[in-house]
Amino acid sequence: EVRLLESGGGLVQPGGSLRLSCAASGFTFSNYAMSWVRQAPGKGLEWVSALSGSGSSTYYADSVKGRFTISRDNSKNTLYLQMNSLRGEDTAVYYCASIKTGGDVFDIWGQGTMVTVSS
Amino acid sequence: AIRITQSPSSLSASIGDRVTITCRASQGISNYLAWYQQKPGKAPRLLISAASILQSGVPSGFSGSGSGTDFTLTISYLRSEDFATYYCQQYYNYPLTFGGGTKVEIK
Repeated sequence: EVRLLESGGGLVQPGGSLRLSCAASGFTFSNYAMSWVRQAPGKGLEWVSALSGSGSSTYYADSVKGRFTISRDNSKNTLYLQMNSLRGEDTAVYYCASIKTGGDVFDIWGQGTMVTVSS
Repeated sequence: AIRITQSPSSLSASIGDRVTITCRASQGISNYLAWYQQKPGKAPRLLISAASILQSGVPSGFSGSGSGTDFTLTISYLRSEDFATYYCQQYYNYPLTFGGGTKVEIK
């Protein structure tokens, strides 16, 4: 069964840091680009970052550029999102998603992990 | 960044109704548009890619059309399990962007 499982969310103070993880199983992880998408409470979807299968190409939304870093360890089938200088507006459920071959759409999603930035 | 305007933001409909949701891109995106369904407390589900290609396992009552700047998701016969929020997403270029969503509620 193809599965993505996020972890690492929680409560953090403004200015703090957090690292999210996404463990993949059921498919050849290194063959797929991966992405993070977030959803603030009661709001719509916002793409955050994407990473090629090899890890050589990265993309970021302007809202997180310079603060967040996406990475992957293909030997561990795991995607990461290092989040620094967190702000209240980063409060959201963070989903990891695999990117479908042939187009940058999200075909497999994790269940999400909640990040709350508050003092 | 390409802006996607989705309408309506919400609608009320009955079982058996035909429902249409539209997305308009701020510039031409060819057919690089996807549609997702999201139910409360759940992750989104990919329904359609390339504007009109139904994903495996998606009921045939869903269809997508459009190219360039204007796109449509149609649910031809609304079923109880179709009440959800729907999002479109452009993947013509980065940053990838979503429409604001359409909540389909029971009338």
